Amino acid sequence: EADIYQTPRYLVIGTGKKITLECSQTMGHDKMYWYQQDPGMELHLIHYSYGVNSTEKGDLSSESTVSRIRTEHFPLTLESARPSHTSQYLCASSDRGGDEQFFGPGTRLTVL
Amino acid sequence: AQSVTQLGSHVSVSEGALVLLRCNYSSSVPPYLFWYVQYPNQGLQLLLKYTSAATLVKGINGFEAEFKKSETSFHLTKPSAHMSDAAEYFCAVGSRMNRDDKIIFGKGTRLHILP
Repeated sequence: EADIYQTPRYLVIGTGKKITLECSQTMGHDKMYWYQQDPGMELHLIHYSYGVNSTEKGDLSSESTVSRIRTEHFPLTLESARPSHTSQYLCASSDRGGDEQFFGPGTRLTVL
Repeated sequence: AQSVTQLGSHVSVSEGALVLLRCNYSSSVPPYLFWYVQYPNQGLQLLLKYTSAATLVKGINGFEAEFKKSETSFHLTKPSAHMSDAAEYFCAVGSRMNRDDKIIFGKGTRLHILP
């Protein structure tokens, strides 16, 4: 079983709040990814990282930001949450680009 | 460039019947190919992966997929569906050529199992 963790699993917050979604992996993977997924819909890559101090924007524009200060940790932050941010956020990691990604359980975010 | 197309956003089969989920890919380099399964409110779990060894790949939960280069296909099958197979399935394509490549996911196929 992949050792990649996301907290919280579920979050309900009000508009305008600042939130941070946590993602950690214990596999020593350099590459990490954040996907946004509406229920029953496709995955959209919003951020990725090739290693410490590396962050890139993904294919879907997002108002969120990420940081990669430590190999194992890749948090995602929303400075001011809005109802349009309501979605599921999935974190993943991989040892090699182009190869298998290991996924966390996801955070389901609801912004009221 | 790489892309993947999953044919059918919803597939319904009766319990005990054959499951066939279709995936076609496009890749300018030798591909890695993957099938993932996602249960409600969970992340994605790898079912199986093709990495250029055997063209028939066996995965978990009785699933298998066959890589057909001439048809650019990687269809997922299971001989006998079980109620627990109801989930979302994603096909994905990657590359063994570039360590900085991302993998590209299809839009997913929701599998419904009829009693």
